Amino acid sequence: AQKITQTQPGMFVQEKEAVTLDCTYDTSDPSYGLFWYKQPSSGEMIFLIYQGSYDQQNATEGRYSLNFQKARKSANLVISASQLGDSAMYFCAMRNGGATNKLIFGTGTLLAVQP
Amino acid sequence: DAGVIQSPRHEVTEMGQEVTLRCKPISGHDYLFWYRQTMMRGLELLIYFNNNVPIDDSGMPEDRFSAKMPNASFSTLKIQPSEPRDSAVYFCASSPGSGTGTNEKLFFGSGTQLSVL
Repeated sequence: AQKITQTQPGMFVQEKEAVTLDCTYDTSDPSYGLFWYKQPSSGEMIFLIYQGSYDQQNATEGRYSLNFQKARKSANLVISASQLGDSAMYFCAMRNGGATNKLIFGTGTLLAVQP
Repeated sequence: DAGVIQSPRHEVTEMGQEVTLRCKPISGHDYLFWYRQTMMRGLELLIYFNNNVPIDDSGMPEDRFSAKMPNASFSTLKIQPSEPRDSAVYFCASSPGSGTGTNEKLFFGSGTQLSVL
């Protein structure tokens, strides 16, 4: 069965500093995709970054990078140079390949960026 | 592209009434998903469709919930009768495909905030 675990309910970070949001996953499928979404207080779900299970390099998208450690089944999100606008809820998610294509989410981490 | 379009944005109804939520996916996307978000349970997948066919409805809470996708450009989620515990934000999302790569990425609508009094 698929499972996503985010153990940090909330985090604080100072503006301009880097922050790491933790995510671990469990699946028996060798093919899967890992995602991070941002949900600001306005409520929309914003895609940030994607990592495929067969990708050799860690994904990066601007200030976002995904620290993918396959053996540990972890997919941590690193936000560099935090900005006040980064304050939001962050969700880690996984989608299996094969017959099961549903995207399941972790419980989320609420990030507060302090000036 | 207009993105995934959901209506209404807000719905307030009384217990026992029928509620219908609507979704228009992005043109050309083969997958459509319905999620429910609450503080207590987070983001739950209710049901998803592939090429208009329901694939997995194991997340649908009970028989009061039903979802249809009569064509590639329209889906509905119906609750009948509604109860106060159904109050939540309901998201619709679509994706181009599956397999690997960012084709798996889900594009979300703005959500419907449902309040059942």
